[in-house]
Amino acid sequence: DTEVTQTPKHLVMGMTNKKSLKCEQHMGHRAMYWYKQKAKKPPELMFVYSYEKLSINESVPSRFSPECPNSSLLNLHLHALQPEDSALYLCASSQDRGTGGAGGYTFGSGTRLTVV
Amino acid sequence: TQLLEQSPQFLSIQEGENLTVYCNSSSVFSSLQWYRQEPGEGPVLLVTVVTGGEVKKLKRLTFQFGDARKDSSLHITAAQPGDTGLYLCAGVRDSSYKLIFGSGTRLLVRP
Repeated sequence: DTEVTQTPKHLVMGMTNKKSLKCEQHMGHRAMYWYKQKAKKPPELMFVYSYEKLSINESVPSRFSPECPNSSLLNLHLHALQPEDSALYLCASSQDRGTGGAGGYTFGSGTRLTVV
Repeated sequence: TQLLEQSPQFLSIQEGENLTVYCNSSSVFSSLQWYRQEPGEGPVLLVTVVTGGEVKKLKRLTFQFGDARKDSSLHITAAQPGDTGLYLCAGVRDSSYKLIFGSGTRLLVRP
């Protein structure tokens, strides 16, 4: 299995809702990442997990809460989001943190989030 | 300010033409990667370059890493409509664990 699977593919939520984004990989990768991508912009790093521990938080607001229950799963819990948080949220994994080696990063297809 | 600047930002060419995309920085990178992203999908890795001056070929795509490891280029020969997409360079700076993306080049190849 050489995929990163993200669910749901699309999500519409109100500003008072609580929702979660899920990401799963079975490649034995020990680093996992959350990126945010606005329209016509490159992906921006949000969080880095290495060996199931949070190693980098790029000053992301606390309304975004990451969780890594085990080496294959990565969640992003959302609460009290704003309309400007609407974006494509991408999960990625790599053999280890940093360059990820020659294999680079494997990205999921993303969750298209709309906050109304 | 973008750490990795790509040029051009947008390129529209006819099928069969050649093109080059540039990725430049004032910082040194331990490696650079090139990704292609299609609408509604995540980026897909094309290549990783790690050695200054390295050149890698992938069918019609040629990737080069600058001698000083601050810049890279992607050359496509005889472009095809299937090459259409967003091309992103990405790099990790020495002593960092963050993969940072360039500003992106949107390529349209017209039949």
